[in-house]
Amino acid sequence: DADVTQTPRNRITKTGKRIMLECSQTKGHDRMYWYRQDPGLGLRLIYYSFDVKDINKGEISDGYSVSRQAQAKFSLSLESAIPNQTALYFCATSLSGSTQYFGPGTRLTVL
Amino acid sequence: QKEVEQDPGPLSVPEGAIVSLNCTYSNSAFQYFMWYRQYSRKGPELLMYTYSSGNKEDGRFTAQVDKSSKYISLFIRDSQPSDSATYLCAMRGRGYGGSQGNLIFGKGTKLSVKP
Repeated sequence: DADVTQTPRNRITKTGKRIMLECSQTKGHDRMYWYRQDPGLGLRLIYYSFDVKDINKGEISDGYSVSRQAQAKFSLSLESAIPNQTALYFCATSLSGSTQYFGPGTRLTVL
Repeated sequence: QKEVEQDPGPLSVPEGAIVSLNCTYSNSAFQYFMWYRQYSRKGPELLMYTYSSGNKEDGRFTAQVDKSSKYISLFIRDSQPSDSATYLCAMRGRGYGGSQGNLIFGKGTKLSVKP
């Protein structure tokens, strides 16, 4: 079984809808991250969390919110999706800030 | 100047060629350097991890760090069609607190190895 899983893997939604992307990990890592990837822009950090009570904004947090429900679970929400949030979203984990391990990604399309 | 610069390519080589992928950076505090490989529609996977300057070899892959020039390289020997992917460099400073532990990524170089 994969160490870092993301659900859903693909999602098509409409402008204005609320959507949640979920990430779970079995690696026992303390830190979790959400990135988005766009062609030509690379990976950009949205939010990161050191533990359940420590959540921090990344480079591009506007329009997003997160929840760390447990050490193993970190979800990303788009409260009111807009078309320019169409992207590949990746969750990643690390142990105390060492190397990061990525999930398989969620392809989100906002119409 | 961006913290990490990486030529996006695309880079196309024949099977068996030696491939050189590079990144430059501006922050002299970076101490840890990584290369990730990302196949199409997949998540990035860690390929090589080095600390400070020097070389590290793993099979057909060699990672090289030149801190004096703020330049890192990944060499692939005897390249195979299965090496076709996007390669991302990543790096961070020495600390683990706050945002210090966060990775700074290059935008990735797309490599295609033709049979």
